[in-house]
Amino acid sequence: DVKVTQSSRYLVKRTGEKVFLECVQDMDHENMFWYRQDPGLGLRLIYFSYDVKMKEKGDIPEGYSVSREKKERFSLILESASTNQTSMYLCASSFGTDYNEQFFGPGTRLTVL
Amino acid sequence: GQNIDQPTEMTATEGAIVQINCTYQTSGFNGLFWYQQHAGEAPTFLSYNVLDGLEEKGRFSSFLSRSKGYSYLLLKELQMKDSASYLCAVADSNYQLIWGAGTKLIIKP
Repeated sequence: DVKVTQSSRYLVKRTGEKVFLECVQDMDHENMFWYRQDPGLGLRLIYFSYDVKMKEKGDIPEGYSVSREKKERFSLILESASTNQTSMYLCASSFGTDYNEQFFGPGTRLTVL
Repeated sequence: GQNIDQPTEMTATEGAIVQINCTYQTSGFNGLFWYQQHAGEAPTFLSYNVLDGLEEKGRFSSFLSRSKGYSYLLLKELQMKDSASYLCAVADSNYQLIWGAGTKLIIKP
């Protein structure tokens, strides 16, 4: 089974803190994604990566950065957390083919106070 | 722009059948996915349609009409565990997934 893991299920941070969310997949997937999910808005793509050291902006990259130093690991960084970044963060991965089913991690519920 | 529409919430009775619709307008089409998401959990894959027609998988079926930009997910013999949100997602011309906001399905005994 494909397994995507995220470093924390729940996280509470203070405004202005730097926050690291880590995601690891064990299926040698080429593609990795970071989404946030808010009620009524569905999944919104923050950043994605098609290869090591490669990154592309999604629909809402402002306030976030990412790092992919190894194929299996994709990190999301909030440089200076703000209350409007309180959300559920989901990591996903997929094969680098035209069949792009995405496999999701369990999610990190981040609260910024 | 790109848009995926699905109802916000639906209610059905245990043992019954429910159809969840999804309409889409995207720049290109490379397949449509349905995912199930229980509250507080990650989405899990249910089905994939890239050609017109019906795909059946146990109690769940998914239908696609590319000319109409339309899909539905059909759930039969509803069980209480089917209470969840159902997400429709379309792969566009760049194979990026465009996601609907999800349909919350409530099953009543």
